[in-house]
Amino acid sequence: NAGVTQTPKFRVLKTGQSMTLLCAQDMNHEYMYWYRQDPGMGLRLIHYSVGEGTTAKGEVPDGYNVSRLKKQNFLLGLESAAPSQTSVYFCASRGPGLLAAYEQYFGPGTRLTVT
Amino acid sequence: GQSLEQPSEVTAVEGAIVQINCTYQTSGFYGLSWYQQHDGGAPTFLSYNALDGLEETGRFSSFLSRSDSYGYLLLQELQMKDSASYFCAVRDNYGQNFVFGPGTRLSVLP
Repeated sequence: NAGVTQTPKFRVLKTGQSMTLLCAQDMNHEYMYWYRQDPGMGLRLIHYSVGEGTTAKGEVPDGYNVSRLKKQNFLLGLESAAPSQTSVYFCASRGPGLLAAYEQYFGPGTRLTVT
Repeated sequence: GQSLEQPSEVTAVEGAIVQINCTYQTSGFYGLSWYQQHDGGAPTFLSYNALDGLEETGRFSSFLSRSDSYGYLLLQELQMKDSASYFCAVRDNYGQNFVFGPGTRLSVLP
């Protein structure tokens, strides 16, 4: 049971390049989230999904797109990377139920640098 | 929208008790949860409160007062491994997603 995994772990992009971050979970969770975390700050929600085939915008969606074609996968795309997108990106998932409504499982993160 | 406030840093000695406060302003409230994050690591879930009162989980306890829009995380018998950042989070958007506080960095000294 791997939990939540993220690919890649590290990446350096040049301004204007594109890339896709992959998040996979094997817990059959309905809800999945993408956050970014900048140094010394909390987590800010980029996009989220409440089920396969659904996506919604979070607090800071500009410059990002997402897709949830399969329940276990949640992809985050950067079409044209900018230095302001240098950050650590975390994926998280959670299931239904009372405790699960509060408990998110996080992946190990992707450290992205845009030069 | 939602906003949360936490102290930026707290320092305590091994074996002591420390309290990390969280105040929030919300348009709707669906519960408060706490996460721990070690440097370079991912956040991990610690505790949550849906209703007023104290919830205890081993050395960690969490408290909520909805009338005061206030909660805290209490860490007892501090250990060096408790040095980490601690985040409070409220559920938003009819409980579908979460808003995190800025985090409190706890340093445990020997």
